[in-house]
Amino acid sequence: QKEVEQNSGPLSVPEGAIASLNCTYSDRGSQSFFWYRQYSGKSPELIMSIYSNGDKEDGRFTAQLNKASQYVSLLIRDSQPSDSATYLCAVFDTGGGNKLTFGTGTQLKVEL
Amino acid sequence: DTGVSQDPRHKITKRGQNVTFRCDPISEHNRLYWYRQTLGQGPEFLTYFQNEAQLEKSRLLSDRFSAERPKGSFSTLEIQRTEQGDSAMYLCASSPGDATYFGPGTRLTVT
Repeated sequence: QKEVEQNSGPLSVPEGAIASLNCTYSDRGSQSFFWYRQYSGKSPELIMSIYSNGDKEDGRFTAQLNKASQYVSLLIRDSQPSDSATYLCAVFDTGGGNKLTFGTGTQLKVEL
Repeated sequence: DTGVSQDPRHKITKRGQNVTFRCDPISEHNRLYWYRQTLGQGPEFLTYFQNEAQLEKSRLLSDRFSAERPKGSFSTLEIQRTEQGDSAMYLCASSPGDATYFGPGTRLTVT
């Protein structure tokens, strides 16, 4: 069974710091990776996608992918209290039928 | 820009009753998904449509669950003879390829 693993947290960082969220996946053939943000009681919101090894930056967010190590990470620079949410890592599974497999999410708390 | 919409947003039902949820995807997206999420877990895949064809259904999905997408537009998810274990957030999502966008969800409570 294809798996996506995340530390559930909570991860607490002070306002203005860098938050680092990590994810590992089991399917070596995976090609597409996504980060979603989910506020309590709300649905997941797509914030980053990454397909190639290396870094991809979008505003305060940087996604990092290392396919050899089967590792994806999300860095949030200048963390704000509004970044407090659960961050879900998702891997697109084309072999099993074009669907996302999600980790359980990491809860991030940005403290004043 | 219209996103994915779902109706109703909340549903409370008694055990044994049938419920039906509706999803309207982003209009140009040909892929539509249903996921289920319980507290502390990531969304769990239920079923997938490409246009009107249901191409995959999770093995975890019992025969009490059925989904349709007539004419490749909106979709419905029906749960028959609901059980307390069906209580969850039911999420619809649509996609033009692999980037997937979720609707607001329908929160089901079975009493």
